[in-house]
Amino acid sequence: DIVMTQSPLSLPVTLGQPASISCRSSQSLVHSNGDTYLNWFHQRPGQSPRRLFYRVSNRDSGVPDRFSGSGSGTDFTLKISRVEAEDVGLYYCMQATHWPRTFGQGTRVEI
Amino acid sequence: EVQLLESGGGLVQPGGSLRLSCTASGFSFSSYDMSWVRQTPGKGLEWVSFIQTDGSGTSYVDSVKGRFTISRDNSKNTLHLQMNSLRAEDTAIYYCAKGGTLDCWGQGTLVTVSS
Repeated sequence: DIVMTQSPLSLPVTLGQPASISCRSSQSLVHSNGDTYLNWFHQRPGQSPRRLFYRVSNRDSGVPDRFSGSGSGTDFTLKISRVEAEDVGLYYCMQATHWPRTFGQGTRVEI
Repeated sequence: EVQLLESGGGLVQPGGSLRLSCTASGFSFSSYDMSWVRQTPGKGLEWVSFIQTDGSGTSYVDSVKGRFTISRDNSKNTLHLQMNSLRAEDTAIYYCAKGGTLDCWGQGTLVTVSS
């Protein structure tokens, strides 16, 4: 199985300051069709996860543009340009290139 | 608005069975693959199962193969997860999610396996 490793696992942030989460996969996430199926999810306390990005950098509807996704191959990053209070919670990366699909351990973002 | 509503969770003894359901609305259910994902406090999110639009193709995480069966009824916009031979480690919140890349999630249903 593909192992997804996130860092850091806990990220204290300051409102208005940038933040960054790394996600590394144990194998390349480039599919045979050329696409890279790496997604990011955000889970606020007491809520279900919500997808933020698909295929590395495609932002889902309603996701603020202070969020960005980047990377390739085995190395990916989620960035928040200026953290707001609503950004707290758990962030997960997930690969959908290989079976079984696998998630990172999660990164807890707290003010 | 896309809505996914899970049901069927509860307390079950080890070795028992449960059938989860997920009722979909707000989108053309029969046009989308569907997935189940579970979450435990200790292990985070774990992808469980996947089913193609017409039910012809399915996939499972190794830990549930042979015990869980995913199915769908496109005439009723409903996704199911039949869970047999349940174990304590299956205790989790189970979410259904739209698509293979999980673009929308339900609110989840709690499954507790304990004697």
